[in-house]
Amino acid sequence: AQSVTQLDSQVPVFEEAPVELRCNYSSSVSVYLFWYVQYPNQGLQLLLKYLSGSTLVKGINGFEAEFNKSQTSFHLRKPSVHISDTAEYFCAVSEGGYSTLTFGKGTMLLVSP
Amino acid sequence: GAGVSQTPSNKVTEKGKYVELRCDPISGHTALYWYRQSLGQGPEFLIYFQGTGAADDSGLPNDRFFAVRPEGSVSTLKIQRTERGDSAVYLCASSSTGQGEQYFGPGTRLTVT
Repeated sequence: AQSVTQLDSQVPVFEEAPVELRCNYSSSVSVYLFWYVQYPNQGLQLLLKYLSGSTLVKGINGFEAEFNKSQTSFHLRKPSVHISDTAEYFCAVSEGGYSTLTFGKGTMLLVSP
Repeated sequence: GAGVSQTPSNKVTEKGKYVELRCDPISGHTALYWYRQSLGQGPEFLIYFQGTGAADDSGLPNDRFFAVRPEGSVSTLKIQRTERGDSAVYLCASSSTGQGEQYFGPGTRLTVT
């Protein structure tokens, strides 16, 4: 069985500051890792994904994430956030192919001026 | 191109009633997924279709929940004898790449009174 832990339910940050949203996972097999963003009253949008290869993955809107197999982590980072980045962020894992996604509980990123 | 669409966007029903939620996936996507997102939680898997058949229905909570995809495109999630605990946002996703990424619709918010 797989599981995802997002250690912070809320992360408040000032505009233009850097941010890191933490994600740890557990799985008995190789996994694919994803970050999704959910803006208020909208569906989930894929930010970035790790399938294989380089452990540093770049996504949309200036976000990036690093896969660390030994620490079973996939933390999301952005060097300078904007007000418009305020949203809920979900880390997810799958076994690849057409496997279902297992999500964390989400982290609410609150960016203030 | 058009993304995943879901109708209705909101549904309010009385306890004990029957409801149907519709999902129209991205054209050509063979895989279709249903998830349920309760307040403050990440999405939880319900059922996965590959073509017309349910490849994995292990996430359906009980036999009041049923889903179909008769022509391998549109899917309908059916809930009988609704209970207040069924209140949630029901998300649909589709996929075609076989690389794990799924594309989500905006969801249907179901409220059982």
